[in-house]
Amino acid sequence: DAMVIQNPRYQVTQFGKPVTLSCSQTLNHNVMYWYQQKSSQAPKLLFHYYDKDFNNEADTPDNFQSRRPNTSFCFLDIRSPGLGDAAMYLCATSRDLGGQETQYFGPGTRLLVL
Amino acid sequence: AQSVTQLGSHVSVSEGALVLLRCNYSSSVPPYLFWYVQYPNQGLQLLLKYTSAATLVKGINGFEAEFKKSETSFHLTKPSAHMSDAAEYFCAVSVPGNTPLVFGKGTRLSVIA
Repeated sequence: DAMVIQNPRYQVTQFGKPVTLSCSQTLNHNVMYWYQQKSSQAPKLLFHYYDKDFNNEADTPDNFQSRRPNTSFCFLDIRSPGLGDAAMYLCATSRDLGGQETQYFGPGTRLLVL
Repeated sequence: AQSVTQLGSHVSVSEGALVLLRCNYSSSVPPYLFWYVQYPNQGLQLLLKYTSAATLVKGINGFEAEFKKSETSFHLTKPSAHMSDAAEYFCAVSVPGNTPLVFGKGTRLSVIA
């Protein structure tokens, strides 16, 4: 089945220690998104890639970076995690940009910062 | 900018009872509207979406929603709740163009046996 895969499902890191979360997709979609979701809150868009074009949301902290080396993979790098960065991180894809496009979500990676 | 408001952060229904989750939107142009479901420690799954075709949209798992422009609403319903419907439900809105999907704050549905 075509899908969005996130690894690991749970990630523990130390305060200030860089961490990378990964996402892969078999849907061959052009767009990949990263969302941050804190407990009992709506997902918050961090950034997205349309093919190789990177688009950062205005309020995404500089501490968050992303890489998309090819169509299938996208990474979220947190350079110096703080306690406030503990959250669920969701990767999503869509076939194209456009308001009517459905986004397909992975299962998420829950990040714990000690 | 577009936005959605979900009335009720927590809704509790008995098994077999009607499910009604409320969503009102704000948009200066005709919107696209979505309902997603999120089970504990899982990603979001699309239940249904409205993209300006039929105003009554049928989705997966017996859910449906009706777009009412006059009321700026897109409420989600299911005639008979199952225990497996217990989850968090998010309404979301977007508009034509390369615009982000804007989520509501979510409604947690509990189903009581």
